[in-house]
Amino acid sequence: DAKTTQPNSMESNEEEPVHLPCNHSTISGTDYIHWYRQLPSQGPEYVIHGLTSNVNNRMASLAIAEDRKSSTLILHRATLRDAAVYYCILRDNTGGTSYGKLTFGQGTILTVHP
Amino acid sequence: EAGVVQSPRYKIIEKKQPVAFWCNPISGHNTLYWYRQNLGQGPELLIRYENEEAVDDSQLPKDRFSAERLKGVDSTLKIQPAELGDSAVYLCASSLNGAATHYGYTFGSGTRLTVV
Repeated sequence: DAKTTQPNSMESNEEEPVHLPCNHSTISGTDYIHWYRQLPSQGPEYVIHGLTSNVNNRMASLAIAEDRKSSTLILHRATLRDAAVYYCILRDNTGGTSYGKLTFGQGTILTVHP
Repeated sequence: EAGVVQSPRYKIIEKKQPVAFWCNPISGHNTLYWYRQNLGQGPELLIRYENEEAVDDSQLPKDRFSAERLKGVDSTLKIQPAELGDSAVYLCASSLNGAATHYGYTFGSGTRLTVV
């Protein structure tokens, strides 16, 4: 599985934007970039995903580098409820038993200060 | 929509005892996953089902762990006998079509297992 590298932790203030980076230098052309987050005492929840173009949804924006070797999850205005572990995951689309598989790393712990 | 339902929410057992976890996926989701999450770590896939067929169980410790998904809907994960190292959160997730990368997973809240 292609690997991702994320900072162990980040901090932000409430109502400020947050940029969560992810490096994936070994990404293949068919890997989708997925982001999930896990709130305390809950299972992970889907945030956003993309392949090549930047993506926006009601939760966040995903900015993908032109060479696809890195991406950034953007929370436009952090709230206390955004405090969670954020996982950047490459999802294989090439077939075989790993097809579509989600492999989690350790993620980034985001702390939001009031 | 009820989401992915797991039970029990918490379980404390003595080592060498058996334990079972139950998962009800979102209606219509044909792909079901069991993950294990150790403290401070990301979830690790144990097994993936496409309908009632286990298509990836390479990470399931088959000497003590077993799983089933009868009729391609609900699933149970069993550990027998449990060991101290099995203490973790066991997460169930479902997806409309696991192989399609544009379908996200929906996770349940998990079962926190403590083996004493």
